[in-house]
Formats: sequence, structure tokens, C-alpha cells
Amino acid sequence: EAQVTQNPRYLITVTGKKLTVTCSQNMNHEYMSWYRQDPGLGLRQIYYSMNVEVTDKGDVPEGYKVSRKEKRNFPLILESPSPNQTSLYFCASSSGRGGYTFGSGTRLTVV
Amino acid sequence: QKEVEQDPGPLSVPEGAIVSLNCTYSNSAFQYFMWYRQYSRKGPELLMYTYSSGNKEDGRFTAQVDKSSKYISLFIRDSQPSDSATYLCAMRGSNDYKLSFGAGTTVTVRA
Repeated sequence: EAQVTQNPRYLITVTGKKLTVTCSQNMNHEYMSWYRQDPGLGLRQIYYSMNVEVTDKGDVPEGYKVSRKEKRNFPLILESPSPNQTSLYFCASSSGRGGYTFGSGTRLTVV
Repeated sequence: QKEVEQDPGPLSVPEGAIVSLNCTYSNSAFQYFMWYRQYSRKGPELLMYTYSSGNKEDGRFTAQVDKSSKYISLFIRDSQPSDSATYLCAMRGSNDYKLSFGAGTTVTVRA
């Protein structure tokens, strides 16, 4: 089944403790992206990647890092999480010739 | 002013009614237009994908794009309680894989 897999689905952590949210797709897509979704603000892009080793900032990149060492994986790294990063996070991928496939989401709470 | 405007609703209709959703946008470079459906606690799911102006029909769903007015619509015929969800419009330019999203419209179909 074609899908984007995120882990974990739920995560509660403390301020300052580094964490990584993994994202993997099995569709051989070049393009991958991370979004956060907040009430009243909708979906906002954090980072995106056009291909292996090619990444760029989206609209809200502060406090986040990404890497794209393999085509299928695009982890999101929070080096020092803060409470304002409490949000619902989505990874998405696309071949560039159609729509985007989204993962099921990661609900992150930073206390 | 947001790049993509979408009335957040909520919208409540009786079963069998036609649901009409729309978005307006300001960026004339947008060429690809999408509608996503998002159930509670799930990731967005691609419903319709259209390029440039025109209509596209898929079962009970019809998407319309009017680039001259910078206006897109989604119609759901014979609505069912299972159509109750948040509907998000999204769009991007020809050479830009970054999606711009509307805020989403929450729809409830009453049995």
C-alpha cells in the first residue's frame, strides 16, 4: 500500500529535550515536506526537500531541522523543543506530477 | 491578507443536500488546485486535483476553477453523514512544489 508513515503518533516531552519525528514514504517520491497544523492558523510548511541532500525552509522553520540522506526518509528534528512547538505535525510526499500524500500525523506536546 | 482565503464555517447541512465550498486566492501564479478532506485526528486525504481553469467531476464531487476570478469551488452532491469532515483547499505554482492551504471548512452532514 502506498503510504507515508510517521512515528511516533503521539509524543509528550519536556522543554529542551531533543527529539526526532520520523517520516518514510514507499512511493519513490522526490518531493517531501513537513507541515504543522494549529487551530486558527491552518497548515503551515516547516521545511521541504526536492530530493536527496536538497532541503529548504518553508514558512515557519525556526526551531526545526531536517535531513534527507535517503530518498524515502525525511526526519524532523527539534533540537531544543519549546512549548510553542506543541502542535500537530504532518509529513507529505509527492512525485511532483499530482497531489500530495500525507501521513497520519504526530501530535506533539512540549511541557 | 492571506494568500488563500477559505471560510472556516462551520457548515451544517441535512443528508442529501448539496455542499458548496469555495476558496479565493491572490497569487496569479497558482496553476494546480487541490481539495483535501480531513477527518478528526487523521491526515489530509486528496479528493480532487485540477490543473488551470475548468471543471472536474469524480463521483459525487465536482471541482471548479475560475482563474480569471481567482476562485475555486468544490461541490458535494447527495451528501452523506460520512462526508462530515474538514475540507481544505490547496494550490501551488507550476514550478513551485510548496502548497498554500486555506484554513479549512468544517462540514457536518446531519442524518
